[in-house]
Amino acid sequence: GQNIDQPTEMTATEGAIVQINCTYQTSGFNGLFWYQQHAGEAPTFLSYNVLDGLEEKGRFSSFLSRSKGYSYLLLKELQMKDSASYLCAVRDGDYKLSFGAGTTVTVRA
Amino acid sequence: NAGVTQTPKFHILKIGQSMTLQCTQDMNHNYMYWYRQDPGMGLKLIYYSVGAGITDKGEVPNGYNVSRSTTEDFPLRLELAAPSQTSVYFCASSMQENTEAFFGQGTRLTVV
Repeated sequence: GQNIDQPTEMTATEGAIVQINCTYQTSGFNGLFWYQQHAGEAPTFLSYNVLDGLEEKGRFSSFLSRSKGYSYLLLKELQMKDSASYLCAVRDGDYKLSFGAGTTVTVRA
Repeated sequence: NAGVTQTPKFHILKIGQSMTLQCTQDMNHNYMYWYRQDPGMGLKLIYYSVGAGITDKGEVPNGYNVSRSTTEDFPLRLELAAPSQTSVYFCASSMQENTEAFFGQGTRLTVV
């Protein structure tokens, strides 16, 4: 099976930076994804990493270290609309796409 | 652009009844997935498919069945519904293993 761990909750101030960590153990590896999910809505795609290193997309960046089974999502210049759940997902060697339990980020004014 | 379409959006089912949740995508995606999400929790994989005619179990397949007779459709069948199957069900699809999955808007199912 898969083990994907991320913190349950994080709180940060508007304009600040927050880093959400994700560790995983899988049978094989075919990529790591980050999704955003607002309450009552479907998840939406944020980023994809399959090689080690940093991927930057505007205010959001994601990092991967395959040897450590570790990723993080960095949210910069936080806005109130960034208050949401952030889901780490890993595609294993059998192409199963499994999700962590999600990290609820609350942005305070 | 329809994307991934799930029906129904809401449903109340009685204990012991059966029903099929429909999922269809118009993007010619090979990979399709069914997840359930309980309140305040993450997504748990029920079943997935890497192409027409191929299905595999995920983490929580008990009480569910799927079929993939066409590329477009991936219905999820609940047999003998139980209160523990009350959840929000999401269907998703992706073109390949290295592309993101797109989600439908979910089906909110209550078993009473």
